[in-house]
Amino acid sequence: DVVMTQSPLSLPVTLGQPASISCRSSQSLVYSDGNTYLNWFQQRPGQSPRRLIYKVSNRDSGVPDRFSGSGSGTDFTLKISRVEAEDVGLYYCMQTTHWPLTFGGGTQVEIK
Amino acid sequence: QVQLVESGGGEVQPGRSLRLSCAASGFKFRNAGMHWLRQAPGKGLEWVAIIFYDGSNKYYTDSVKGRFTISRDDSKNTLYLQMDSLRDEDTAVYYCARSSPWVIPDYWGQGTLVTVSS
Repeated sequence: DVVMTQSPLSLPVTLGQPASISCRSSQSLVYSDGNTYLNWFQQRPGQSPRRLIYKVSNRDSGVPDRFSGSGSGTDFTLKISRVEAEDVGLYYCMQTTHWPLTFGGGTQVEIK
Repeated sequence: QVQLVESGGGEVQPGRSLRLSCAASGFKFRNAGMHWLRQAPGKGLEWVAIIFYDGSNKYYTDSVKGRFTISRDDSKNTLYLQMDSLRDEDTAVYYCARSSPWVIPDYWGQGTLVTVSS
């Protein structure tokens, strides 16, 4: 199985400051069609997960443009340009290139 | 708007069975693949299973293979997860999610809690 490793586990951030979450995979996430199926989800306290980014860098409808995704191969990053109070929660990367589909362990974003 | 409502969770003894349902609305269910995912208490997300739009392909995570069965009834816009031989480690909130193209989950339900305990 593809192991997804996120860091850090916890990310205290000052309001208005940037935040960055790393996600590394144990093997390349480039599929045979040339696409890379690395996705990001946000889970606010007490809520269901919500997709933010799909295929590395495509923002979902309604997702603020302060969220951005980047990376390639086995190394990916989710960035929040200016953290707001509503961004508090858990963030997960997920690969959908290889079966079984797998998630990273999650990163907790909190306000300092 | 897309709505997914899970039901069927509850407390069950190890070795017993449970069937979860997910009622879908707001999109063409018969054209969509569907996922089950879960989250153990205080833990991260885990993908469980997927059924393709036409039911032709089903995939499972290794820990549930041979015990869980995903199915769908397009006439009822409903997704199912039959869970047999339940174990303590199956305790979790179970979510259904629609599969966008490329098998990526997009919309998620609110979840239903399954507790396996003697």
